Amino acid sequence: ETVTTQSPDTLSVSPGERATLSCRASQSVSSQLAWYQQRPGQAPRLLIYAASTRATGIPARFSGSGSGTEFTLTISSLQSEDFAVYHCQQYNNWPPTFGQGTKVEIK
Amino acid sequence: EVQLVESGGGLVKPGGSLRLSCAASGFTFSTTWMAWVRQAPGKGLEWVARIKSHVAGGTLDYAAPVKGRFSISRDDSENILYLEMNSLQTEDTAVYFCATGAPTSGSLFDLWGQGTLVTVSS
Repeated sequence: ETVTTQSPDTLSVSPGERATLSCRASQSVSSQLAWYQQRPGQAPRLLIYAASTRATGIPARFSGSGSGTEFTLTISSLQSEDFAVYHCQQYNNWPPTFGQGTKVEIK
Repeated sequence: EVQLVESGGGLVKPGGSLRLSCAASGFTFSTTWMAWVRQAPGKGLEWVARIKSHVAGGTLDYAAPVKGRFSISRDDSENILYLEMNSLQTEDTAVYFCATGAPTSGSLFDLWGQGTLVTVSS
């Protein structure tokens, strides 16, 4: 099974600042990596797929990059609604696996 | 409106059983691969089970921790996804989400329900 690890566990950022989240896979997942946002008490929402493609309706301040085993999610200027937990998921290898999540909190 | 609505969660004793349902609307359910994903309290997401569409063979797949205890099924005439859970253990306590598999990859989850809480406790 492909182990997917996110860092950091918690990221403290001020509104308007940039946030950079990392995701590492234990073996290559090519570009088959997704990012989800989960606000408190809500379901996850697909943000990014294929490592760098924004899902429908996702603002341009969200961007993804990487391939192979190292991936990054960048939020260019944090808005109040962006404070949430972010999960990465690989879907190249079976079974699909998720990271443990990174909580982005207000500094 | 495109949506998934789960139901059937609750409190059950270890060794007990529960059946979850997920009602789908706003999209062509019969051709969509479906999955269950769970989230234990304060933990990350964990894929549980997947069912392909009938046209794709209807294959069933399970995560190792639930194989032999859980059963995923679908009713395409009613647009409902099910998860039958038997021999429940305390470690099965979680919010269970149903999710759709994207057309490009059945393991990419592009729509999620709000979830239903399953608590296994004596």
